[in-house]
Amino acid sequence: EAQVTQNPRYLITVTGKKLTVTCSQNMNHEYMSWYRQDPGLGLRQIYYSMNVEVTDKGDVPEGYKVSRKEKRNFPLILESPSPNQTSLYFCASSLSARGHEQYFGPGTRLTVT
Amino acid sequence: GQQLNQSPQSMFIQEGEDVSMNCTSSSIFNTWLWYKQDPGEGPVLLIALYKAGELTSNGRLTAQFGITRKDSFLNISASIPSDVGIYFCAGQPGGSEKLVFGKGTKLTVNP
Repeated sequence: EAQVTQNPRYLITVTGKKLTVTCSQNMNHEYMSWYRQDPGLGLRQIYYSMNVEVTDKGDVPEGYKVSRKEKRNFPLILESPSPNQTSLYFCASSLSARGHEQYFGPGTRLTVT
Repeated sequence: GQQLNQSPQSMFIQEGEDVSMNCTSSSIFNTWLWYKQDPGEGPVLLIALYKAGELTSNGRLTAQFGITRKDSFLNISASIPSDVGIYFCAGQPGGSEKLVFGKGTKLTVNP
């Protein structure tokens, strides 16, 4: 089954404790992206990757890092999480960036205390 | 950055009624997408539009890519309770690799 998977689905952590949220897609998509969703603000792009070893900042990249060492994986790293990073995070992928539909993972709900 | 104005923010309708929502932009978009998000889930693609004027249906859903390329609408006919959720429009501005999202329309359907 073609899908985007994220782990963990739920995470509660404390300020400053490094964490990684994994994202994997099995559709051989070139383009992958991370979003955060907050009430009243909709979906905002954090980082995106056009292909392996190519990443770029989205609209809200501060406090996040990403890597794209393999085509199928695009982990999101929070080196020192803070409470304002409490949010619902979605990974998405598409065949390419040019006009192609993005497919979303199930989401990771992160709480930073 | 780019913004999409999606309206209405929320709708409360009776089962069987038709629904219409739209998105507008101040700049030209090359692609319009419509997603639905159920509680606790990721957005699921409903319809993708690639050409100005394009009208596409998916079951009871119909979406159109505005001729000016600055707007799109989504219609749902004969709504049913499982249509409940948040509907997002998304668009790709000309010359950009990014996908810009509207803030969503929350739909409630009363049986």
